[in-house]
Amino acid sequence: GAGVSQTPSNKVTEKGKYVELRCDPISGHTALYWYRQSLGQGPEFLIYFQGTGAADDSGLPNDRFFAVRPEGSVSTLKIQRTERGDSAVYLCASSLNRGTINEQFFGPGTRLTVL
Amino acid sequence: QQPVQSPQAVILREGEDAVINCSSSKALYSVHWYRQKHGEAPVFLMILLKGGEQKGHEKISASFNEKKQQSSLYLTASQLSYSGTYFCGTEISGNQFYFGTGTSLTVIP
Repeated sequence: GAGVSQTPSNKVTEKGKYVELRCDPISGHTALYWYRQSLGQGPEFLIYFQGTGAADDSGLPNDRFFAVRPEGSVSTLKIQRTERGDSAVYLCASSLNRGTINEQFFGPGTRLTVL
Repeated sequence: QQPVQSPQAVILREGEDAVINCSSSKALYSVHWYRQKHGEAPVFLMILLKGGEQKGHEKISASFNEKKQQSSLYLTASQLSYSGTYFCGTEISGNQFYFGTGTSLTVIP
């Protein structure tokens, strides 16, 4: 079956612009995570969805970051007024249920570059 | 809150064994292990849960010491394909999930 997909694979934008990153989880997976990974570092937790609701958004760095999952499937991570420090690979992972006790399946990531 | 892994990097010859350690300052509810190759997404290896339940690959083993808040991943008879960066991941509270500092493993012929 299809795995987790993320679009776009690469995004280059200018400082101050708005970007949207999309994640299509595995069908039937209720849990969805967003992570940010900088070069040489481990994935950094951003937000966790269980179904349509954000069960934990404590990892979002500031109010420029926002994520939605309106129908409990596809999720969009939105970043306003992008800054150079936002440059990183943004990873999405889905899990059958709670992703802390079940395997997380990762997408290929979106590489965001803010110039 | 990020778990600390050791060693940071290790180089092995094919067939040698390795142990990667993961330590947390917080109480752990579960420990995951993932491997990430350069330019690719992390891939699941194993989950260890409180109470001793494990889910994962047959050829990889791990331990979870709940009292010491530590986990170790055991790689035996290493193969070239084992090369990559290994991350432990832990549930600390609620639904937050934190990945460790990473261990770079290189297997050479």
